[in-house]
Amino acid sequence: GQNIDQPTEMTATEGAIVQINCTYQTSGFNGLFWYQQHAGEAPTFLSYNVLDGLEEKGRFSSFLSRSKGYSYLLLKELQMKDSASYLCAVRDNAGNNRKLIWGLGTSLAVNP
Amino acid sequence: DTGVSQNPRHKITKRGQNVTFRCDPISEHNRLYWYRQTLGQGPEFLTYFQNEAQLEKSRLLSDRFSAERPKGSFSTLEIQRTEQGDSAMYLCASSLGSHGPPLDTQYFGPGTRLTVL
Repeated sequence: GQNIDQPTEMTATEGAIVQINCTYQTSGFNGLFWYQQHAGEAPTFLSYNVLDGLEEKGRFSSFLSRSKGYSYLLLKELQMKDSASYLCAVRDNAGNNRKLIWGLGTSLAVNP
Repeated sequence: DTGVSQNPRHKITKRGQNVTFRCDPISEHNRLYWYRQTLGQGPEFLTYFQNEAQLEKSRLLSDRFSAERPKGSFSTLEIQRTEQGDSAMYLCASSLGSHGPPLDTQYFGPGTRLTVL
């Protein structure tokens, strides 16, 4: 079956670093995406990994290990505006499948 | 603004009525997706178009749901005989399809929030 697991909720302090984990089990793999979603708004694209390793984009980094079916999103120098849900999504490459398989999201609360 | 747009942003309807939502993708994007999302859940795939062709439709989607993309540009999602369980945020996303996954990143519109009374 297709499954993506992320923690439901996390709490961190402004200025700190937080790591949000995502594990996946899919029949195929053709890339992993991280999206940020503020309450009541649409998801916005953060990062993409298709090869093993770390991708860095400013305060945000994303890591992938395909052999372990594992990714994490690292947020540094947390700001209050980073309070949001973080969604992990995997593209399965089975056949002509172009849809993403989504996790339920991790709700991050950043406290002062 | 050249992002994905959706109309209306909010829709309140009575059970049994039909509703139609519109999505205008980013102009050069040839792929368009519809999702449904409820509170605390990730987006749930509904259907997907490449140009005007509807290539996949979720098996979870009942016959009351239909989507079109007649000219390969904007798309409409219609829900007939709405039920209270249809209350959700309906999200549209578009992507620049290619053989390369980086160019197939999906960009979302602001969504249409449907409330069925």
